[in-house]
Amino acid sequence: DAGITQSPRYKITETGRQVTLMCHQTWSHSYMFWYRQDLGHGLRLIYYSAAADITDKGEVPDGYVVSRSKTENFPLTLESATRSQTSVYFCASSESRTSGYNEQFFGPGTRLTVL
Amino acid sequence: RKEVEQDPGPFNVPEGATVAFNCTYSNSASQSFFWYRQDCRKEPKLLMSVYSSGNEDGRFTAQLNRASQYISLLIRDSKLSDSATYLCVVSRAGNNNDMRFGAGTRLTVKP
Repeated sequence: DAGITQSPRYKITETGRQVTLMCHQTWSHSYMFWYRQDLGHGLRLIYYSAAADITDKGEVPDGYVVSRSKTENFPLTLESATRSQTSVYFCASSESRTSGYNEQFFGPGTRLTVL
Repeated sequence: RKEVEQDPGPFNVPEGATVAFNCTYSNSASQSFFWYRQDCRKEPKLLMSVYSSGNEDGRFTAQLNRASQYISLLIRDSKLSDSATYLCVVSRAGNNNDMRFGAGTRLTVKP
């Protein structure tokens, strides 16, 4: 019962490099999300996806690219990493409901350091 | 101004104490409200949803005041295991999948 997994768990990279963070869920949830968590800001939504091939911007999308070719995977790419993108990145997923709340289930996070 | 604001704490309380956290949100059209719990260096997990009529789950009680745009979480009979950061979460108007998180309130329960 893997649930939702992220890889790598830790990553150190240099300014200007491209980095891809992976997210995989086994629940067949429709929705998937990427957040970053920084001290003093809490979690901020980067991008989310309602289904395969459907993605939308969140609160802080600049500098990030996402894709969702398969329901279970939602990779996040930093095309040219900057120091300000040093953060903890959480992937999450939720079911699709027509009403009511949609509990989001989070992965364990990826700690990214950009030097 | 942040969309969701919380007192960052830290709150340091003895076991058995009652502690309350507050949260305010700026978008009056928000529809869904939650409290998540996050342990140190772990992922957030849903603690409870917050309903208009208020709701209780064991030692935890959540209240919503739409007029004042205010959410609260009350923890009674605190346990050591309650030590964590509590995140207030509010959905954006018209989109229950676009959530705004507060920065969190840190609680430490001491023996």
